Amino acid sequence: AQKITQTQPGMFVQEKEAVTLDCTYDTSDPSYGLFWYKQPSSGEMIFLIYQGSYDQQNATEGRYSLNFQKARKSANLVISASQLGDSAMYFCAMRGLNTGGFKTIFGAGTRLFVKA
Amino acid sequence: SQTIHQWPATLVQPVGSPLSLECTVEGTSNPNLYWYRQAAGRGLQLLFYSVGIGQISSEVPQNLSASRPQDRQFILSSKKLLLSDSGFYLCAYGGGTDTQYFGPGTRLTVL
Repeated sequence: AQKITQTQPGMFVQEKEAVTLDCTYDTSDPSYGLFWYKQPSSGEMIFLIYQGSYDQQNATEGRYSLNFQKARKSANLVISASQLGDSAMYFCAMRGLNTGGFKTIFGAGTRLFVKA
Repeated sequence: SQTIHQWPATLVQPVGSPLSLECTVEGTSNPNLYWYRQAAGRGLQLLFYSVGIGQISSEVPQNLSASRPQDRQFILSSKKLLLSDSGFYLCAYGGGTDTQYFGPGTRLTVL
């Protein structure tokens, strides 16, 4: 079975500082993809970053980077230089590329609060 | 570029009434399409997915159904709504590596 765990229900960060949102996963699929999404109060889910299990380097997209530690089965999101607009819910997700079929599973989310 | 539309944006329906939510995608052909539900303050629950016209897979048994009458159209329906059907419904399409891109969502309240 596949599982995503986000253990931080809420996080606070000072504006302009970096913050790490934790995500651990469990899968028996040898090939999988990991995703992070942002959900602001408007409700829309915004894709942030993708990491493939066989990618040698950690993914980066602007101020977002994914700290991928395969042996520990963790895929933490790092947001650098936080901005007030980063306040939102953040979801980690995974899809098994061999046995997962077309299903992506999502974690419970972490609510990030950026303080001015 | 691809875009995804959902309507209506909000809906208030009485218990026992029917439901029809529509999702359309532009700028891509034969996408994988998905319906999710999100209860207040919770994560996403996959309801249905479709890999082609008329092909629907259900993930959770319930009183909802889905149809895909056209390549880029995905419809979520119910004959009789329950209170527990309230939530935020999101449609998504699969892009490269099947990264899912979401529509703006429909907020459904069943009274």
